[in-house]
Amino acid sequence: ETGVTQSPTHLIKTRGQQVTLRCSSQSGHNTVSWYQQALGQGPQFIFQYYREEENGRGNFPPRFSGLQFPNYSSELNVNALELDDSALYLCASSLVSGGEAFFGQGTRLTVV
Amino acid sequence: QQQVKQSPQSLIVQKGGIPIINCAYENTAFDYFPWYQQFPGKGPALLIAIRPDVSEKKEGRFTISFNKSAKQFSLHIMDSQPGDSATYFCAASTRDSNYQLIWGAGTKLIIKP
Repeated sequence: ETGVTQSPTHLIKTRGQQVTLRCSSQSGHNTVSWYQQALGQGPQFIFQYYREEENGRGNFPPRFSGLQFPNYSSELNVNALELDDSALYLCASSLVSGGEAFFGQGTRLTVV
Repeated sequence: QQQVKQSPQSLIVQKGGIPIINCAYENTAFDYFPWYQQFPGKGPALLIAIRPDVSEKKEGRFTISFNKSAKQFSLHIMDSQPGDSATYFCAASTRDSNYQLIWGAGTKLIIKP
């Protein structure tokens, strides 16, 4: 086990709704990254947070937003959900100075 | 230039065989190359990683071979077992990007008993 926990594990939302996903990082890690993994594909980088600031962003629209809290836990918010947002959302924690990233079990989001 | 190309897409190997999964990249700024193992419905688990200053790294039954001049790296699994059946992903990142991972498309590995 990595010590990275995500909640909820599964979620079903209706198109147009908003969703918040949560992640608790591994003890001692100060950086959280979020990835989207569509079925049968490799993960795609959404954004990274370090010291409560966005520290890099992938090719995702502004309706994907996030937060990092003083205890390094993080939230991913997605507004105006679209059917294509259905995916496994992965949170990874790491140290900003190093490359090793450890992932949670993911949140399976289904948009109907 | 940011892509990581992974092959094969799927692989079937007999128990005890040595599956080999290959990845190629273009961006010479990449300086960290991890491999992840993912079981269905689970998050990726870090297996082993290498930096470009070494040509090979072994951890247990897993070995990464790295060819900097060819911009290729590969994963070998020694004495493969049915429990190794999973999807394997290579990835690459740079310190300058704060180690944002660029992923290959994955290889679905099946180890037959």
